[in-house]
Amino acid sequence: DIQMTQSPASLSASLEEIVTITCQASQDIGNWLAWYQQKPGKSPQLLIYGATSLADGVPSRFSGSRSGTQYSLKISRLQVEDIGIYYCQQASSAPWTFGGGTKLELK
Amino acid sequence: QVKLLQSGAALVKPGDSVKMSCKASGYTFTDYIIHWVKQSHGKSLEWIGYINPYSGGTNYNEKFKSKATLTVDKSSSTAYMEFSRLTSEDSAIYYCAHSSYIYRWFAYWGQGTLVTVSS
Repeated sequence: DIQMTQSPASLSASLEEIVTITCQASQDIGNWLAWYQQKPGKSPQLLIYGATSLADGVPSRFSGSRSGTQYSLKISRLQVEDIGIYYCQQASSAPWTFGGGTKLELK
Repeated sequence: QVKLLQSGAALVKPGDSVKMSCKASGYTFTDYIIHWVKQSHGKSLEWIGYINPYSGGTNYNEKFKSKATLTVDKSSSTAYMEFSRLTSEDSAIYYCAHSSYIYRWFAYWGQGTLVTVSS
């Protein structure tokens, strides 16, 4: 199975700050990567797919990038509504696997 | 709009089985694959398997192969997952989600079904 190692596990940031979350794949997955946001008591919501494409309705302050087998999610100016847990997911081969999650809190 | 409406919470005894549902609306049911994902309390997400509503074909995570059975009823646009021989480790929220046949990321999710296994 492809392992997705996500870091950091938790992150505290201030409003308007730039936030970056990373995900390391255990093998080459190309651009077959997605990012999700999950708010307490809610289902995950797709933010980024294909490593860099913004899902419908997602604010442009979110962006995704790739360098080899390392993937990053960047929030350019943190807003209150961005608080939650973020997960990466590889969509290259079954079983599709998720990172351990990054809990983003306000400082 | 696309909706995946899941059945309500279930309290089941160890050793029992539970069958949960995921009713799709707002799109052609056979045009997308239905996946099931497990989220234990405070934990990350685990992919259980998927079913192709058009053919009925399935693909399971080896970890859940002897535990989960996926089916669909095309006439009602509903997918089902039965989880058998339940233990406390199976207490979790179970989500259905859909993906295209090619791109296996999940744009739409159900609201989740909470399963609690307790005697």
